[in-house]
Amino acid sequence: AAGVIQSPRHLIKEKRETATLKCYPIPRHDTVYWYQQGPGQDPQFLISFYEKMQSDKGSIPDRFSAQQFSDYHSELNMSSLELGDSALYFCASSLTGGPTNEKLFFGSGTQLSVL
Amino acid sequence: GENVEQHPSTLSVQEGDSAVIKCTYSDSASNYFPWYKQELGKRPQLIIDIRSNVGEKKDQRIAVTLNKTAKHFSLHITETQPEDSAVYFCAARLYGGSQGNLIFGKGTKLSVKP
Repeated sequence: AAGVIQSPRHLIKEKRETATLKCYPIPRHDTVYWYQQGPGQDPQFLISFYEKMQSDKGSIPDRFSAQQFSDYHSELNMSSLELGDSALYFCASSLTGGPTNEKLFFGSGTQLSVL
Repeated sequence: GENVEQHPSTLSVQEGDSAVIKCTYSDSASNYFPWYKQELGKRPQLIIDIRSNVGEKKDQRIAVTLNKTAKHFSLHITETQPEDSAVYFCAARLYGGSQGNLIFGKGTKLSVKP
């Protein structure tokens, strides 16, 4: 079965640069979530989108923005990168109204390293 | 907002023994409680979950119990195997329509010694 696809798998950036992370949800899933996980930490919720509209907002810095496109894929844009942004970024998706509508399925993540 | 506490932070057991991880949540409105297993550098994988209208659920060697009154839920792994070694996260979610993200506990690092 198709899973959540994230790209790139690894990304290395310098301080103050920008980065764009992409997420392709499971086909027919309409909700996308972004999480940030630092080393040895639990995943922290950043933001979510349902039907291309922002549905929930967590601890996302103002330097970050995200959107969901008409094909339901999502992009997380990160500007003015800081050393503390180095983390594993996960995208998850779910299907509203389906038989497993409460379940979130996670992608393999993007490992961002800011040097 | 929701707050999830998880204990213990580390757990070491002998192969074949049982392991129990406990979580408490703060928002009595939360209605969905999944458990994820995460190996180093990999994605969180859903291993079992429970809705608030159910008290217990079992899947082979894994079981989850929920006490809504006390606002706590637990993961039970029986006959542990070395491949069960990983970090386990509990989470809580107030699910309604398209709303409701997962709030995670801090995780439990389980080590199963052969």
